[in-house]
Amino acid sequence: RKEVEQDPGPFNVPEGATVAFNCTYSNSASQSFFWYRQDCRKEPKLLMSVYSSGNEDGRFTAQLNRASQYISLLIRDSKLSDSATYLCVVIHSGGSYIPTFGRGTSLIVHP
Amino acid sequence: DTGVSQNPRHKITKRGQNVTFRCDPISEHNRLYWYRQTLGQGPEFLTYFQNEAQLEKSRLLSDRFSAERPKGSFSTLEIQRTEQGDSAMYLCASSGTSGRAYEQYFGPGTRLTVT
Repeated sequence: RKEVEQDPGPFNVPEGATVAFNCTYSNSASQSFFWYRQDCRKEPKLLMSVYSSGNEDGRFTAQLNRASQYISLLIRDSKLSDSATYLCVVIHSGGSYIPTFGRGTSLIVHP
Repeated sequence: DTGVSQNPRHKITKRGQNVTFRCDPISEHNRLYWYRQTLGQGPEFLTYFQNEAQLEKSRLLSDRFSAERPKGSFSTLEIQRTEQGDSAMYLCASSGTSGRAYEQYFGPGTRLTVT
């Protein structure tokens, strides 16, 4: 089992739709979680950190479920400009510090 | 522009040649990371520095790869005797030590093509 797993998609949704992605992780000692957005042939850009209590930034909501070892990203009222690949990142504690990225989930928002 | 910069942006080399890439992090960041990314995959961790100390190195990193950060500022990644399998995007990221210490900011990457 990979350390961090994401459904590669693509998720194909119309404008205005709500879409959610999950990211599962295998190391229960994981302590920090993030979502990044990556446009085609560009570098990843930080979208949001994921806090234990969940957090929201505009149309984006991130949640953490430690019991089931997954994080989620919810996008409401999808825009065409949301089309991108969404990468989750997990960092676990225990002496070493190695950020592990998922392979990303592709989102396509169409008119 | 005070973001992370990387040079060169593109590099084409012949198999067996050595290549070196440079990364300049955000000036107040003391952590610097190198990743490799291939099509359809997420960035794969290569190595990590805190100031000038190389604290982690991926087991996937062969001895043909070496990275330095001599003065705790810019970093270089060298690949010796390049192979076609080294063709990828090489990304650098930096982060600080404040409460958001693990939030990484990426440079535009160096795209390596080995022919």
